[in-house]
Amino acid sequence: DAKTTQPTSMDCAEGRAANLPCNHSTISGNEYVYWYRQIHSQGPQYIIHGLKNNETNEMASLIITEDRKSSTLILPHATLRDTAVYYCIVRVALMGSARQLTFGSGTQLTVLP
Amino acid sequence: GAVVSQHPSRVICKSGTSVKIECRSLDFQATTMFWYRQFPKQSLMLMATSNEGSKATYEQGVEKDKFLINHASLTLSTLTVTSAHPEDSSFYICSALPTGTGGTGELFFGEGSRLTVL
Repeated sequence: DAKTTQPTSMDCAEGRAANLPCNHSTISGNEYVYWYRQIHSQGPQYIIHGLKNNETNEMASLIITEDRKSSTLILPHATLRDTAVYYCIVRVALMGSARQLTFGSGTQLTVLP
Repeated sequence: GAVVSQHPSRVICKSGTSVKIECRSLDFQATTMFWYRQFPKQSLMLMATSNEGSKATYEQGVEKDKFLINHASLTLSTLTVTSAHPEDSSFYICSALPTGTGGTGELFFGEGSRLTVL
């Protein structure tokens, strides 16, 4: 699976958009970009994933650059409950084979009141 | 989304004793479950892959005789830490892959179990 690079930490004001970047310059054509987050002392929570098109769901938006070498997770209106470590993971689709997720260091997002 | 439940959420035990942690998929069947370990201020590290009805596959450096994994049904996997020592104190997290998931199916994680060995 391709390696990802994320900033160690970021702050965001409550109510503002939080933009979390992720570099994955060695991503291959069949690898997806997944985002999970982990609130302190809880298990990881799935947020969103995408291949090459931008994606949006009720939690966030995922913007993937045209060359797919980087992406940005956008939380449109951050709240204090969004304070967590956010993990960007790049991997091939499961496609019937069981594949675990490999977690990097992630980005500690702190939403400030 | 699908729910994965872990029990107990917290456990304290004496050194030398064994501790069992359960991971249940509440509203789906999971042929495969994964066990992770997370030390303070570190990321999750995969320990083993648990497959229903067969032996678990352990990652390099994880002692299979110390961390016993049983996946006897499609909704339950257990991790037993045998002869626990203080260095085994950690946050243990399981995740489950719904049976028949193809394509880009997401993994669902439990709430984690914090083990403290005195």
